[in-house]
Amino acid sequence: EVQLVESGGGLVKPGGSLRLSCAASAFTFSTSYMNWVRQAPGKGLEWVSSISSSSSYIYYADSVKGRFTISRDNAKNSLYLQMNSLRAEDTAMYYCARSYSADIWGHGTMVTVSS
Amino acid sequence: QSALTQPPSASGSPGQSVTISCTGTSNDVGNYNYVSWFQQHPGKAPKLMIYEVTERPSGVPDRFSGSKSGNTASLTVSGLQADDEADYYCSSYAGSNVVFGGGTKLTVL
Repeated sequence: EVQLVESGGGLVKPGGSLRLSCAASAFTFSTSYMNWVRQAPGKGLEWVSSISSSSSYIYYADSVKGRFTISRDNAKNSLYLQMNSLRAEDTAMYYCARSYSADIWGHGTMVTVSS
Repeated sequence: QSALTQPPSASGSPGQSVTISCTGTSNDVGNYNYVSWFQQHPGKAPKLMIYEVTERPSGVPDRFSGSKSGNTASLTVSGLQADDEADYYCSSYAGSNVVFGGGTKLTVL
């Protein structure tokens, strides 16, 4: 079954860091464009970042630019999001999604930024 | 990176049709045929329902259809069923980024 599984979420203090992971299975991850999308509690979806299959093209939302870094390891079928200088407004469920059309989503990992 | 505009709510009775709009600008919806629609039930991950304005992934019923005119995209759900009650989000490619709509809560009366 085609699947994405996120991990690495948790409670972190403002200014802290967290690294999210997304493990892919049952499809050719190395040729897939990948995305991170987040959803604050009770709010809508917000695109965070995208990365091309070979990491040649990387894009960020203005709200996270300079603080978050997207990366991938095609040998490990894994996508990552390094989040630094975290703020309360970064509190959200973080989803990874496959392809330009976001056809497959994981179940998400919750990040809470609070003192 | 302004969000696309969706009505906060929509409703219809079982069997009826409902259309949800998604208004952007010439920098996103109006300039690219990369509009997607997602369905999200409470506590669940979003599910792709429409991509590239009109295309349906396999497994999505043909009761769901998409269209676009100018800067506004639309999702039509015909033959409403109880399980269609959910939040619906549109998204559009916008050059080097992606923008989402604020979401529409669809209620099946």
